[in-house]
Parts: sequence; C-alpha cells; structure tokens
Amino acid sequence: AQKITQTQPGMFVQEKEAVTLDCTYDTSDPSYGLFWYKQPSSGEMIFLIYQGSYDQQNATEGRYSLNFQKARKSANLVISASQLGDSAMYFCAMRERNNAGNMLTFGGGTRLMVKP
Amino acid sequence: GAVVSQHPSRVICKSGTSVKIECRSLDFQATTMFWYRQFPKQSLMLMATSNEGSKATYEQGVEKDKFLINHASLTLSTLTVTSAHPEDSSFYICSASPQGGQNTEAFFGQGTRLTVV
Repeated sequence: AQKITQTQPGMFVQEKEAVTLDCTYDTSDPSYGLFWYKQPSSGEMIFLIYQGSYDQQNATEGRYSLNFQKARKSANLVISASQLGDSAMYFCAMRERNNAGNMLTFGGGTRLMVKP
Repeated sequence: GAVVSQHPSRVICKSGTSVKIECRSLDFQATTMFWYRQFPKQSLMLMATSNEGSKATYEQGVEKDKFLINHASLTLSTLTVTSAHPEDSSFYICSASPQGGQNTEAFFGQGTRLTVV
C-alpha cells in the first residue's frame, strides 16, 4: 500500500498567490515525522519543512507552512506569495520510528509551475 | 546546515563498464547513509541502507551484486554500479544524517546523473 500519496501530479499558480500541495500518509506508528522537499531541475533535494507527529502546532518556515491534520493523516504544504523560483518538483516524505536511521519514504511528487 | 557532497554529478559510461559514486558527509559523522534512485519524472526510491563497518541492507528487487555499496568510514559511502547497462541510466542520490543528531535532519547529496551508452 502506498504510504505517502500526493494526488496532484502538476499544479499551476499565479505569481504572488498562495498554493496548497496535498499530501496524505498512512502509518500505524504513533511516532513519525513528515518532511517536504523541493527538487529543482538540477536534481538537488532542498529541505523545506518538518512536522513531527507529536507537534502540537503546525510547522512554519518563512513562506512555507504545513497544514497538519493528524486525524485525517494529511500534511499539506502551503506556499504563500509564490515566486517564479518556486517552480520545481515538490516531494512529501515520511520517516517512521521503526526505520533504521532517517530513511524516508517519498510520495510521487507534485510539479509546481508558477506563472508570471 | 550540514553538508553532504556527492561526486560525480554527471557521468556517461559505456555499457559493460563500472561506475563508482561517492557520498561524503563533510562536517559530520554518519553511521548510516541511504542510496536512492530516481527515474525521470518519478519519485525517489530507496535502494539500500549503507551501514558503516558492516554490510549494506538492500531493498527488495535491488541486486546487491550489481550495486555494490561500501561504507568504510563514518564520512564516506560509495555506490558502484557494476557492468552498467542502459537501463541503469538514472539519477542516483544519497542522504545522511548526523550521528546523534536531531530526527528532523536528513541531508542529501547533489545527486549523480548516470547515462549508460
């Protein structure tokens, strides 16, 4: 079964507007972490934001915020005031406690395209 | 943040030859490193977990004799693609976390784009 699901293969957003990228996950582990990464065409993986399963508040990092709805098992990424440089692939990932070290399981990704 | 360096960033090799990819943690020690593979327009798929001083753990369907992993020190893991074939052409990327570091940290190398001709 898919552990991390990103239902939007591609999305467009107008520059300066906000956009939400969806991510749902599946785990029976009570302790887990959720990550969002940005991957530009160069291929590097850029860490954006992290949410722990026990965190009471939604994580925020600058223009990035994570809409964490634990009961629904969703961890959507919200990017405010989109910029042209935000155009990239975005991956949601999960780390579970039982994994060795910090192995991550990735979703299929969403390609975000920011329109000028 | 911590730095993971991966080399080379691009490599083109002939079919049947072997290619070695290095993954180094530059400012921290890592007992465990991870190797991922990414086909075009697809997600990252874990290939194997590299363990310092012991054998790597391979994911189901990954041939350990084809993808040789060596983690000889706390700062270096290598992935060797042996007898490469065109279907091995892909983007390979490693990640590492500081030993004893926070669970929020997982740093990635720059990735290696392998093309087998």
